[in-house]
This record gives sequence, C-alpha cells and structure tokens, in this order.
Amino acid sequence: KNQVEQSPQSLIILEGKNCTLQCNYTVSPFSNLRWYKQDTGRGPVSLTIMTFSENTKSNGRYTATLDADTKQSSLHITASQLSDSASYICVVRGGGGGFKTIFGAGTRLFVKA
Amino acid sequence: DAEITQSPRHKITETGRQVTLACHQTWNHNNMFWYRQDLGHGLRLIHYSYGVHDTNKGEVSDGYSVSRSNTEDLPLTLESAASSQTSVYFCASSEQHAGADTQYFGPGTRLTVL
Repeated sequence: KNQVEQSPQSLIILEGKNCTLQCNYTVSPFSNLRWYKQDTGRGPVSLTIMTFSENTKSNGRYTATLDADTKQSSLHITASQLSDSASYICVVRGGGGGFKTIFGAGTRLFVKA
Repeated sequence: DAEITQSPRHKITETGRQVTLACHQTWNHNNMFWYRQDLGHGLRLIHYSYGVHDTNKGEVSDGYSVSRSNTEDLPLTLESAASSQTSVYFCASSEQHAGADTQYFGPGTRLTVL
C-alpha cells in the first residue's frame, strides 16, 4: 500500500534553533517528492520539489534531502523564526498511469520566542 | 495576479441538505482537485478534473460530485450532507504537465454538518 509517514507529529522549538522533520514513504514507482508549508487557516504552499536524481534542494532557510534508496526525506529548517510556525506536509507523487499523489498527515511545528 | 478562490469560507448546514462549495481559479490551469483535510489525516482526494467535461473519482468520493463546464471552475456538491462530511475542504489547481505539477491551493472552506 502506498503510504507517507511523517515524524514527529508535532514539535516545539525556540526561535533561532534548527530542526529537522522526517518523511518516510512506500510509494512505488516514485516520481517526485514535495514539501508544503501550511499556515493555520490557509492552504498548503509548495516549498521544494525533488525528483529521483536529486538528493538536496534548498529554499532559503529550508533544505530538503531525499534518499530514494531508503525512501526517506527530511526537511531541515535553519535559524527558525516565529513565522515558521505551521504544518509541514510531505507529498509523494507516484509514477505510472493514473493520479497517485499521497499526502502525509504533516508535522505541526511551533516556534516559541 | 492569478489566484484560486473558494467560497464560502465557512458554512454550517444540516444533515440531509444539498451543499455546493465553489472553487474558481484564474491560473488557466487544466487540472483541478478537491481535497478534504481532517485532524490526524493527510489531505485526501475527493474528485479531480484534467479539463473541461472531465471528472474523476478520488479515494473518498462517496457522497460528493463535481462538474467541469469551464476551465476556471470546479464546484463540489454534497448531495445529502452527513455529519461525517464535517471537514475543511481545499480546492487546488495545477498545470497540464504532470511531471512536476505544483498544486496551488485555495484558502479552504470549513464545513460543519449538524
């Protein structure tokens, strides 16, 4: 069964600290993996996308990694800011025919002053 | 600027009533999607469309229907609302090319079925 599992479910960190969010997936065949940020009361917004051949992608203070062999991805946030408080959703798109995009349940990040 | 909007943003209805949620995008995207988001679950696909007059069922389509009469709009209808359909609903759109199709999401509609 195609699944996307994220950990931790929630995380509290102090402003200025770094953190890493994890995503494990079983989607096969694999096409691409995205990380989305979802602010409270808003729709998700894409942060990064990685295909099979990419293992690192950065977007400002956000750096995503992908290990397609172990089917794991991480999102590292550097020097966190209060505005980073949000849910971070890992989304894996499968290859082949049909629509096969699986969303993880997300990690809820709280950044405290 | 191009955008995707949803209306209403909040809706309270009663069990058994028909409800329609609107989604309008000005990206001129061919692909449009409806998802529901519940606590503890990832976004789950209800219906999607790859173009005018094209509709497809997603993983949780029972009790929902869509129609696509133009590029800009994909309304979602709950034929007979049930309490289990209380949720936050998101509409999204993406470009034609499936390889790296970023989905752009609307702000969501919070639906409560009493």
